[in-house]
Amino acid sequence: DVKVTQSSRYLVKRTGEKVFLECVQDMDHENMFWYRQDPGLGLRLIYFSYDVKMKEKGDIPEGYSVSREKKERFSLILESASTNQTSMYLCASSEPGQGAGGELFFGEGSRLTVL
Amino acid sequence: AQSVTQPDIHITVSEGASLELRCNYSYGATPYLFWYVQSPGQGLQLLLKYFSGDTLVQGIKGFEAEFKRSQSSFNLRKPSVHWSDAAEYFCAVALFSGYSTLTFGKGTMLLVSP
Repeated sequence: DVKVTQSSRYLVKRTGEKVFLECVQDMDHENMFWYRQDPGLGLRLIYFSYDVKMKEKGDIPEGYSVSREKKERFSLILESASTNQTSMYLCASSEPGQGAGGELFFGEGSRLTVL
Repeated sequence: AQSVTQPDIHITVSEGASLELRCNYSYGATPYLFWYVQSPGQGLQLLLKYFSGDTLVQGIKGFEAEFKRSQSSFNLRKPSVHWSDAAEYFCAVALFSGYSTLTFGKGTMLLVSP
């Protein structure tokens, strides 16, 4: 069974801390994504990566960075966490190209609370 | 830019009644369309997808959706709702411009009453 694993389901951090959210996929997918989910706002794309060491900004990249050193792993980094980054973070992966249709496979999410 | 609108934030349906969740999209080309479901505290699971061909697509858990190009809609339906269908439902459209990304609607929360 295909799997996207987010290492931390729940995190509580303090304002100003550096936060790492880790995501690993076992489907050998080229593309990986980080979304943020907030009530009433749906899913918003933070960053995505279409290859190792490559990254592209999504709709709301401010305050975030990402790292993709290996194909299967995509990390989201909050350099200095702020309370407005309290949210659910969802990682996803997909095959590239129109032939694959763009279908995303999601992890179970990481709920981050910043105090 | 493409966009997806789910006009209903919440819907309450009685168990056993039929369900229709609305989705409208704005996209210049032939869209690739998706419905995902999210149970509380979980990630998103794909219910069904439309790429081309038959405009009525069948998905998991007894759901279906119909693509209507003239109305720019992709509404999700189920003939008889079960209490376990209570969840949040997201419609999405794929954009292909060098890479593929999904744009999501804001979601519709389905409540099922006994």
